[in-house]
Amino acid sequence: EAEVAQSPRYKITEKSQAVAFWCDPISGHATLYWYRQILGQGPELLVQFQDESVVDDSQLPKDRFSAERLKGVDSTLKIQPAELGDSAMYLCASSLGRRGGDIQYFGAGTRLSVL
Amino acid sequence: KQEVTQIPAALSVPEGENLVLNCSFTDSAIYNLQWFRQDPGKGLTSLLLIQSSQREQTSGRLNASLDKSSGRSTLYIAASQPGDSATYLCAPAQGGSEKLVFGKGTKLTVNP
Repeated sequence: EAEVAQSPRYKITEKSQAVAFWCDPISGHATLYWYRQILGQGPELLVQFQDESVVDDSQLPKDRFSAERLKGVDSTLKIQPAELGDSAMYLCASSLGRRGGDIQYFGAGTRLSVL
Repeated sequence: KQEVTQIPAALSVPEGENLVLNCSFTDSAIYNLQWFRQDPGKGLTSLLLIQSSQREQTSGRLNASLDKSSGRSTLYIAASQPGDSATYLCAPAQGGSEKLVFGKGTKLTVNP
């Protein structure tokens, strides 16, 4: 069964360092999402791509976060510099991207701890 | 701005019980609503998706209903099992962007 792949599963870093997360969506899925989930909360959308274009990045802290999806396939989310408040689970999801809404399939996530 | 509330925040039941999880949302202009399951430290698993034109969706022991006009959805779990223990999240997809807005979830514990 096709899955959304994310790496690394866990990342520990020190404050002010740079970190990067990678996501490979299900083959053929046009829409890719990055969510952040703080412990005890529901996930919150950071950025949404349709193919290689950003559709929504209104909740992305652009002074330190960046995201790209070159060639409209896999994607990288970067944080530079990391802050203590960035400790969270970072989840990637993908969907077919047809109008009217499709099931979003989630990866296992990357757990980030900033010390 | 869409706000999603899930009640109760936590629920503990004996094995075999039928149970209902509640979800309410403030903006009825949605494309669909998804219910997810999340095990501790893991990603989300999609359980059911209800399109805005539908009233109900069923998968095995799970049944989800949607009343878009009143901003409510329920997830019914029949004959609960210890393996159903997890956090259940509901997320309406906003019209336009189709982005999901999540509630905080209901943590379910099914005791053997």
